[in-house]
Amino acid sequence: AQSVTQLDSHVSVSEGTPVLLRCNYSSSYSPSLFWYVQHPNKGLQLLLKYTSAATLVKGINGFEAEFKKSETSFHLTKPSAHMSDAAEYFCVVSRPSGGSYIPTFGRGTSLIVHP
Amino acid sequence: SQTIHQWPATLVQPVGSPLSLECTVEGTSNPNLYWYRQAAGRGLQLLFYSVGIGQISSEVPQNLSASRPQDRQFILSSKKLLLSDSGFYLCAWSRSTGYGYTFGSGTRLTVV
Repeated sequence: AQSVTQLDSHVSVSEGTPVLLRCNYSSSYSPSLFWYVQHPNKGLQLLLKYTSAATLVKGINGFEAEFKKSETSFHLTKPSAHMSDAAEYFCVVSRPSGGSYIPTFGRGTSLIVHP
Repeated sequence: SQTIHQWPATLVQPVGSPLSLECTVEGTSNPNLYWYRQAAGRGLQLLFYSVGIGQISSEVPQNLSASRPQDRQFILSSKKLLLSDSGFYLCAWSRSTGYGYTFGSGTRLTVV
């Protein structure tokens, strides 16, 4: 079984300040982990992924995430928020099943960026 | 390069009417395909996935069904829509390795 918990439903930051979006997971397998971003009424865009290589993963738009097995966490960070970062962010854990890999999504964190 | 197409972008349907949403993938073969629903203020719920033609797995029993008549075509259907079927439907594909999922632009379905 696997699950993913995004610890904050909303995160509010000021433009230019750091961003931290928290994600904890549980998985019976060595997990593949992802962060996706969704802007209003749009599809989802992959920000970054962890697939058992380097534990610090760099993604697009200045985002990065660190896989910490001991803490079962995969938090998303960015040093300086931009207004364009305001969106919904989803943490995803993937498990193998029936010849496929099934992603389980967290409930999402809404990032609000104030000018 | 691979692309995924999903249509229509928006749809308003009366209760009890049928539904057909289509998703196609270009530039790859034998993709894994997925249908997700996103209700207002909630995360994504996996509805169906498919690892090959005619192979459909259902994650949640409900009023919907899925079919995969061709390798790169995935269809979400309903015979009679319910109000609770309203939501944002997303199609996605991945390689069999599962290293990343690419999503379509979504269909906003409103059942009235």
